[in-house]
Amino acid sequence: DAGVIQSPRHEVTEMGQEVTLRCKPISGHDYLFWYRQTMMRGLELLIYFNNNVPIDDSGMPEDRFSAKMPNASFSTLKIQPSEPRDSAVYFCASSYQGARTEAFFGQGTRLTVV
Amino acid sequence: AQSVTQLGSHVSVSEGALVLLRCNYSSSVPPYLFWYVQYPNQGLQLLLKYTSAATLVKGINGFEAEFKKSETSFHLTKPSAHMSDAAEYFCAVSDQGGSYIPTFGRGTSLIVHP
Repeated sequence: DAGVIQSPRHEVTEMGQEVTLRCKPISGHDYLFWYRQTMMRGLELLIYFNNNVPIDDSGMPEDRFSAKMPNASFSTLKIQPSEPRDSAVYFCASSYQGARTEAFFGQGTRLTVV
Repeated sequence: AQSVTQLGSHVSVSEGALVLLRCNYSSSVPPYLFWYVQYPNQGLQLLLKYTSAATLVKGINGFEAEFKKSETSFHLTKPSAHMSDAAEYFCAVSDQGGSYIPTFGRGTSLIVHP
């Protein structure tokens, strides 16, 4: 398996624009996590899915953020409208059976909002 | 509820010296514990994990960690640092009680001097 695949790797956008980040988890994994990493706040869990169903989105910073998982092989994180404070590295990770096994991380998307 | 504390945001060692990165956790149920490493511009990757088998866990690249229940610790060590070990290290905990969300520490940046 190619691992968790995220696209794009880098995204530069203007404030107010819509941004969509994409993730393809490892085949057979039943958990998918979206994280945001910044110097100030470290690694923050935004939302996670189990079997394509959102379980906990309490980490989503505000209504501008939304995430979907229409099937087992694809998830998106959307920010609309984007703001400069959203600039961060966004990671997608997947795992099998949750707590017992490790999470496999994608390479991340570095988002810059100007 | 579970939490992780990594003591020291930066640790500096000389090449060939002992590496010790500290991690303390809190969990109301027996934990699963993980150490991840993040190299620049990459995602996190697993170094090693404790899942209630042997308390001394060996991982990749010569790292190991010991689970000490009485001290609620899971410190990461390596006998001899190499320049290639310079990276960010994250400790994470998830619990056996059904919370499948791994909780990550703030990370420790390991600096290796020649």
